[in-house]
Amino acid sequence: GAVVSQHPSRVICKSGTSVKIECRSLDFQATTMFWYRQFPKQSLMLMATSNEGSKATYEQGVEKDKFLINHASLTLSTLTVTSAHPEDSSFYICSPLGGDLNTEAFFGQGTRLTVV
Amino acid sequence: GNSVTQMEGPVTLSEEAFLTINCTYTATGYPSLFWYVQYPGEGLQLLLKATKADDKGSNKGFEATYRKETTSFHLEKGSVQVSDSAVYFCALREEGQNFVFGPGTRLSVLP
Repeated sequence: GAVVSQHPSRVICKSGTSVKIECRSLDFQATTMFWYRQFPKQSLMLMATSNEGSKATYEQGVEKDKFLINHASLTLSTLTVTSAHPEDSSFYICSPLGGDLNTEAFFGQGTRLTVV
Repeated sequence: GNSVTQMEGPVTLSEEAFLTINCTYTATGYPSLFWYVQYPGEGLQLLLKATKADDKGSNKGFEATYRKETTSFHLEKGSVQVSDSAVYFCALREEGQNFVFGPGTRLSVLP
């Protein structure tokens, strides 16, 4: 399968600070990037969808000013959690897509964010 | 809207035991069905899939059959190993749409 690299795998930050999560598709060009979050014992919930060079589309209830998504190239997308609070503590996973929505999906390793 | 329901975990089994993880779904159309596995510290990996009714997906000894009449896609394995310990997600996707995931079922296999 395709190689997806997500970094960091774990991060602990203080309330009020910002955290950047990177997602790279190492052997294919990701025209679309999905960002998910996963609360304990719950499923993956889609946060936003971004297309390279365009603004991200956010799902209902997700604050676009809090979760900044940049998809400036076909191999890199970033999610920045701004002014983090303890309730933002979660597991974040990226899923780059190299074709249409019927293409097989690949996922990053995930980032465990803990805000203290 | 579409949804996926899975049996709640955690599921704890002894090595070589038989595994079943139930999954049922609701969908407005005719989705493809998937099982993804998430090993500790890693992202999701596709385990198997089925795209139409009565199809059986299989991989690494795991199987699941697409049952349209019962809207189910139960995951089975005849003899689990310690290395199968992970979280398993059932998911569906209709053509041209994004994934809908179940809540995941954590499996622990004891030696």
